[in-house]
Formats: sequence, structure tokens, C-alpha cells
Amino acid sequence: KAGVTQTPRYLIKTRGQQVTLSCSPISGHRSVSWYQQTPGQGLQFLFEYFSETQRNKGNFPGRFSGRQFSNSRSEMNVSTLELGDSALYLCASSLGGQGGQPQHFGDGTRLSIL
Amino acid sequence: GENVEQHPSTLSVQEGDSAVIKCTYSDSASNYFPWYKQELGKGPQLIIDIRSNVGEKKDQRIAVTLNKTAKHFSLHITETQPEDSAVYFCSTGAAGNKLTFGGGTRVLVKP
Repeated sequence: KAGVTQTPRYLIKTRGQQVTLSCSPISGHRSVSWYQQTPGQGLQFLFEYFSETQRNKGNFPGRFSGRQFSNSRSEMNVSTLELGDSALYLCASSLGGQGGQPQHFGDGTRLSIL
Repeated sequence: GENVEQHPSTLSVQEGDSAVIKCTYSDSASNYFPWYKQELGKGPQLIIDIRSNVGEKKDQRIAVTLNKTAKHFSLHITETQPEDSAVYFCSTGAAGNKLTFGGGTRVLVKP
């Protein structure tokens, strides 16, 4: 069974631009969550999508948004990029029930802002 | 919101010895406690998880214990091997699939 796939693996952008990252979950998984990983703040929850609806949201500004398609694939978008947005962005998929669901991570997209 | 503290931040052990990582959490509503291993250039890999109705769980050389009253849980790795070298994260979940992570422990197993 294929794991969680994230594209692209690496991305370089400049301040003020916007970026879209993609995540394909494990087949049969309906929940996709996004996390930001930085050396200073560690792993932080961005948001979760289930059945094309945002179900949970972390404490990030509105510049961070996402969506989920009917095939459970998800995208996240960051607008007006700032230097501090440089991070590893990870997505995780799970079957989707509420709470206590094992989540499986992809290898992330490394975003660098110049 | 939930706060998860993880100790130690780095751990160096001799091959064959045991490694123990400890975490405390603040939200009494947390009921799911997964542990992840992250190798360089890879995403976190789920290695073991425990739910609040269980006090201990074991999978080969890895075990996790949970004390809900004290709000702490621990990861034990026995007979460590060089391939156990990685960064380990504890995390907690409550209702919903949001996980709150500890700061991570860098484990180095010396041959």
C-alpha cells in the first residue's frame, strides 16, 4: 500500500509570493492533517480536513489555508509569504474517525523563503 | 490549550543499553498518546501508540507506559541498536485528530 505522498519535496520562494503544496493520502484514508515543523517551534498543527470540510484548525494566521477534494487529496496554500514561513510542511492521513486514529505522515515539503 | 513537555532533549546510549524518554501533558481530556520516530530527511513514523484505558503496551523492543493520574507517559527502548538513532516525538490527542507534540528527543546509539 502506497504511503502518504507530498509534492513538491523542495520549494524556494521569495517574500510576498504565494505557494500551494499537495498531499495524497493513503488509499482509503479520508482525513488529512497538516503540520508545520521548524527548529524553533517544533511540530505545530495547522488544520485537518475530512470529507472536504475543515474539521479542526490550529493557531495560524489566515494566510494559511487548505482544501480537500472528493478523492481525499488535499492542498494547502500560503499567501504573502514571510521569511518565518520557511519550514518543513508535513501532511498526515488517517481513516478519519473522531479521535485516537493512527496518523501516517508523508516526508514533507521543505519550503525556503528568500 | 494542551502543552506537552518532553525530556531529555538529547540522549546518548551504548548499543545494547536501554533508552527512556519521558513526557508530561496538561490537558486531562487527552486520551490518545502516539510516539513517532523521525529520521533525517523523512517524515515522522508512528512506532507505537497507547490509549487512555491502557496503562502499558509493548511491541518487541519498544514499550510505552501511561499514568493518567500524573499526566505522564514514557517510551522505553530495550537492547538499542544503531538503527534506533533518530529523533523521537511524543504526542497527545483528544477529540478530533489534532496532535500536540513534545519538543523531541535526539537519540544517539553508539556502537
